[in-house]
Amino acid sequence: NAGVTQTPKFQVLKTGQSMTLQCAQDMNHEYMSWYRQDPGMGLRLIHYSVGAGITDQGEVPNGYNVSRSTTEDFPLRLLSAAPSQTSVYFCASMENYGYTFGSGTRLTVV
Amino acid sequence: GNSVTQMEGPVTLSEEAFLTINCTYTATGYPSLFWYVQYPGEGLQLLLKATKADDKGSNKGFEATYRKETTSFHLEKGSVQVSDSAVYFCALTSETSGSRLTFGEGTQLTVNP
Repeated sequence: NAGVTQTPKFQVLKTGQSMTLQCAQDMNHEYMSWYRQDPGMGLRLIHYSVGAGITDQGEVPNGYNVSRSTTEDFPLRLLSAAPSQTSVYFCASMENYGYTFGSGTRLTVV
Repeated sequence: GNSVTQMEGPVTLSEEAFLTINCTYTATGYPSLFWYVQYPGEGLQLLLKATKADDKGSNKGFEATYRKETTSFHLEKGSVQVSDSAVYFCALTSETSGSRLTFGEGTQLTVNP
């Protein structure tokens, strides 16, 4: 099925560990983005990309890195996990203001 | 900058009750407005949208009208069902924000049989 695929669905990290959240889409959308969802705060934009090789910061980029080597993939890297990064992370792709969201990664940092 | 404010939740209703979830916005330019729904354990799905003033978006019995004069986009449904229990997000994007979506805080709706 066409859409946005995120892996893993769940992850527990220790403070200071690093990891990569994977995101892939098969709709050939140029625009992709990462959001984090926290209770009472809606979704906040972390990083986004308007095409392969182009990335930019969103509202809450600190502690996260991204790269976009292909149109399909947009991984999110946590360099040194902190408890404040405990959240649910959503990847989305967009075309003509039609957004498609992945099912999310629930990350807990202990 | 852009911002979206939703009514405080959570909201609990009985089946067949009338639903209103308020949403107001601040934006530069001419925003497009959206309602997204998130069912338990899932990602966000587009529920409806409106791209210009006085447009009405509708889907699955839900409606919302883009009111430029009151900068509002309230979500309504005449008769809710248990299956409507979910979190609802109001969101906008505008030409000054590129393709970036700005979300409200989300409203948890629980419908009891």
